[in-house]
Amino acid sequence: SQQGEEDPQALSIQEGENATMNCSYKTSINNLQWYRQNSGRGLVHLILIRSNEREKHSGRLRVTLDTSKKSSSLLITASRAADTASYFCVTVGAGSYQLTFGKGTKLSVIP
Amino acid sequence: ETGVTQTPRHLVMGMTNKKSLKCEQHLGHNAMYWYKQSAKKPLELMFVYSLEERVENNSVPSRFSPECPNSSHLFLHLHTLQPEDSALYLCASSQEGLRQGDNEQFFGPGTRLTVL
Repeated sequence: SQQGEEDPQALSIQEGENATMNCSYKTSINNLQWYRQNSGRGLVHLILIRSNEREKHSGRLRVTLDTSKKSSSLLITASRAADTASYFCVTVGAGSYQLTFGKGTKLSVIP
Repeated sequence: ETGVTQTPRHLVMGMTNKKSLKCEQHLGHNAMYWYKQSAKKPLELMFVYSLEERVENNSVPSRFSPECPNSSHLFLHLHTLQPEDSALYLCASSQEGLRQGDNEQFFGPGTRLTVL
């Protein structure tokens, strides 16, 4: 299965701390994406990293990709209460429209 | 607002009813998707339309029937559903280029469906 598996399943941190979520997958990919879902804003795309990229930044987000280990990490720096949400690692295989979602990491940021 | 709207937001239906879910995207995208999100299960892709042609159908039961009349609208027609079909149904759109799946998808807020 191409499904990514996020680790940890749940994470609770204090506001201002950094949050790191990891993802592992099993087959070769075209790209890997991270999405966030909360009750207020629904499912929202955060960042896309292609298979030939190793690191990408977007605001307080930093994503790394190691295709040799078939793993990715998402770092959120200086977390805020508004970052409380479920974060999904999503893999896309070559020549496919299919986004394969993992089960997600539930992040709670305590004010 | 992501530019993708879905109606209705909530729907309760009996097993013998026929209903339709509607999705509209205002982003000028050329691909649209239906997903199912059940409790404690990963999001599952149901159907993909690219340039108004169905390009993927992930072994979805025939009681779910998609329709894409144009690039901005997507419907999911429902009939004789089962209680286990209760879930959040999400619509998404993207602008696909030469490399499929190479772009972000924009999701609507979803329709929370309950089948009694």
